[in-house]
Amino acid sequence: AQSVAQPEDQVNVAEGNPLTVKCTYSVSGNPYLFWYVQYPNRGLQFLLKYITGDNLVKGSYGFEAEFNKSKTSFHLKKPSALVSDSALYFCAVRDTTSGTYKYIFGTGTRLKVLA
Amino acid sequence: NAGVTQTPKFQVLKTGQSMTLQCAQDMNHEYMSWYRQDPGMGLRLIHYSVGAGITDQGEVPNGYNVSRSTTEDFPLRLLSAAPSQTSVYFCASSVDYSVRYGYTFGSGTRLTVV
Repeated sequence: AQSVAQPEDQVNVAEGNPLTVKCTYSVSGNPYLFWYVQYPNRGLQFLLKYITGDNLVKGSYGFEAEFNKSKTSFHLKKPSALVSDSALYFCAVRDTTSGTYKYIFGTGTRLKVLA
Repeated sequence: NAGVTQTPKFQVLKTGQSMTLQCAQDMNHEYMSWYRQDPGMGLRLIHYSVGAGITDQGEVPNGYNVSRSTTEDFPLRLLSAAPSQTSVYFCASSVDYSVRYGYTFGSGTRLTVV
């Protein structure tokens, strides 16, 4: 079965420091991986995706993610965190086996950037 | 551009009542879907549609119905509300069902069933 794991419920980082939000996946076939961000009382917003190509994917708001096939990971990164980056982050893999065209979402990681 | 619009934003229902959650998009997206978000469980797919007149079940469809009579609208009906349906509901759309595109989400409907 395809799955996504976000091992940390919460990540705290000081403003200006680099941040990493972890994601590992298990899929059969090629992984199609995504990151979304959710601000309070808002819907999810698309950040970036990996379909194929370069292992380092750049996305919105200065975020990037590194795809590592051997470690089955897709960690979200940013070189210098901002207080405004504080939000809930979801990793997702596109289910390509069930025929529902759905995402399988992780349980989310709450990022707190401290001033 | 409004994107994906969901109404209402908040709703309290009594057990056994029915209601419809509205979702509309103005981006001419073919693919639309409904997810529910529960603490510690991520988002789970309820129903989805790959185009007008075509709908199908996701992983947690029981107690919900959908229809897609137009490209723009994808309402979600709760037939007889139960406390287990207390959740935040998100409508999401995409250009099509391929993996090339991300989703655009609405801002959600927070439903409480008492």
